[in-house]
Amino acid sequence: DVKVTQSSRYLVKRTGEKVFLECVQDMDHENMFWYRQDPGLGLRLIYFSYDVKMKEKGDIPEGYSVSREKKERFSLILESASTNQTSMYLCASSSPLTGGETQYFGPGTRLLVL
Amino acid sequence: GNSVTQMEGPVTLSEEAFLTINCTYTATGYPSLFWYVQYPGEGLQLLLKATKADDKGSNKGFEATYRKETTSFHLEKGSVQVSDSAVYFCALSELRTGTASKLTFGTGTRLQVTL
Repeated sequence: DVKVTQSSRYLVKRTGEKVFLECVQDMDHENMFWYRQDPGLGLRLIYFSYDVKMKEKGDIPEGYSVSREKKERFSLILESASTNQTSMYLCASSSPLTGGETQYFGPGTRLLVL
Repeated sequence: GNSVTQMEGPVTLSEEAFLTINCTYTATGYPSLFWYVQYPGEGLQLLLKATKADDKGSNKGFEATYRKETTSFHLEKGSVQVSDSAVYFCALSELRTGTASKLTFGTGTRLQVTL
């Protein structure tokens, strides 16, 4: 089974802090994704990566950056956290070689910015 | 661009009732269609998918048929259980070469099943 893990289930940070959310997958997937989930808005794509060191902006990249130094790990960075970034953050991975377009999700990190 | 519209929730049903959650989509090409489920406190899990017109996806008693003529992918289950209480997301993906295929999600429909 594909396993996607996220470093924290719950996180509380202060406005202006730099925040790192980590995601690791164990299935050698090429593609990894970061979403945020908000009530009434569904899931919105922040950034994704289709290879090591390769990244593309999603629909709402403002205020975020990402890093993918190793194939299994994809980090989401909030350069200066703001209260409007309080949300549930979900990581996912996929591979065109196994499962095609199907994405496999981690359990999520619920971030509260005070 | 691509978009997915699904029925507003919450949907409240008694156990053993019939479930339909409507989903329609707009896409420029020929997307694959998905239903994901999110149980309380968890991430999303793939429930079922269909990759071409007239395909039927099925899993755990849930079904959905890819209807190109009505651009729909409605989720159905004949007899729901309390354990089906969750949020259900409809999504589409269009295959892209040279980069990752992205999913476009609906806003989710919360299902509450009572005894």
